[in-house]
Amino acid sequence: DVVMTQSPLSLPVTPGEPASISCRSSQSLLYSNGKNYVNWYVQRPGQSPQLLIYLASNRASGVPDRFSGSGSGTDFTLEISRVEAEDVGVYYCMQPLRSPWTFGQGTKVDIK
Amino acid sequence: QVQLQESGPGLLKPSQTLSLTCSVSGGSVTRGNYFWGWVRQHPETGLEWIGCTSYSEGTYYNPSLESRVTISLDMSQNHFSLKLNSVTAADSALYYCARESRTGINYIDYWGQGTLVTVSS
Repeated sequence: DVVMTQSPLSLPVTPGEPASISCRSSQSLLYSNGKNYVNWYVQRPGQSPQLLIYLASNRASGVPDRFSGSGSGTDFTLEISRVEAEDVGVYYCMQPLRSPWTFGQGTKVDIK
Repeated sequence: QVQLQESGPGLLKPSQTLSLTCSVSGGSVTRGNYFWGWVRQHPETGLEWIGCTSYSEGTYYNPSLESRVTISLDMSQNHFSLKLNSVTAADSALYYCARESRTGINYIDYWGQGTLVTVSS
């Protein structure tokens, strides 16, 4: 299975400040079509996961532009340009390229 | 807007069969290009993809569970089901049903609210 490793696992943030989460995969997620198969999800308290980013850098419908994704191959990053209080939750990277689809262990983002 | 809702017993004894149903509204399980599947969440180990099925493009399972799991569609009821047999305490988790896209832009875009399953003697 492809192992997805996130860091940090806990991220206290100050509203208005940027935040960054790293995700590293045990195998390359760059496919022959030139696309990187990494998605990012956020699970807000008491809710189901919600898709933020697909194909490493594409924001899902309705996702604010303060969220951005980048990376290629085995190293990926989710950035929040200016954290807002509603961004509290657990963020997961996930690979939908190789079966079985696998998730990172999650990064808990909370307000300082 | 697609909505998914899980249902099924929340408490099982070891060796029993877990059976969950996911009711789909706002969309048809026969719609092309979508798969219908299950993901579970353990407090300790996080999110685990279980498997998925589709109307016309087959079924995929996580190899770690493949010997015990069956996912099937009921087109007449517009729902899909999960069966996991010979459960143990390790199968205790929050179970989500989900819709997957596997068109070359792969993602899970809709999730149910989740149903907690506990396996205990």
